[in-house]
Amino acid sequence: LAKTTQPISMDSYEGQEVNITCSHNNIATNDYITWYQQFPSQGPRFIIQGYKTKVTNEVASLFIPADRKSSTLSLPRVSLSDTAVYYCLVGGGTGFQKLVFGTGTRLLVSP
Amino acid sequence: DSGVTQTPKHLITATGQRVTLRCSPRSGDLSVYWYQQSLDQGLQFLIQYYNGEERAKGNILERFSAQQFPDLHSELNLSSLELGDSALYFCASSPGVGTTSGEQYFGPGTRLTVT
Repeated sequence: LAKTTQPISMDSYEGQEVNITCSHNNIATNDYITWYQQFPSQGPRFIIQGYKTKVTNEVASLFIPADRKSSTLSLPRVSLSDTAVYYCLVGGGTGFQKLVFGTGTRLLVSP
Repeated sequence: DSGVTQTPKHLITATGQRVTLRCSPRSGDLSVYWYQQSLDQGLQFLIQYYNGEERAKGNILERFSAQQFPDLHSELNLSSLELGDSALYFCASSPGVGTTSGEQYFGPGTRLTVT
């Protein structure tokens, strides 16, 4: 069962690139890595998902090294509205595994 | 709006009582997931159903149970409630299982307060 850890908090300024890491040393072969964004009193919102190497969509990039024991969410040119808590989620590859959320990283973007 | 609905939004009850939380998934989604979010435990996966069948189980207590009905809505039953059960309970849905289970759509949550 994957155990996932993240930095508790990060600070950034508008326009900067932010990289948030997630450590998942016990990731299983079939596990996928998914990142979510959560605002206060709302449900998490999907950002990006990957299995290995690099994935990019219109809002973020996800970097996964060959050993897959960690992953990095990259947010280009953050804005104030990106202030939120970011979670990685490990699991789900076959649909039978437990899904394990990371501890969450609180990102604060300042002007 | 994710398309996932949860009722009620808020629930206040006493220790020892039993409550039922309800979730309606997005139209067409066959998988439903339940999560508990508390300050000290973070987001915890409880259970997953796919097309009416239990698919995966997480850290769900024996006092808790869930089911998914033929119309695909789901209910989470919490019994013999304790103060520590106070939390936000989220339901999420996804089109299928496996790789698609990563892209889940979360509802607004039910805030349960046990006094």
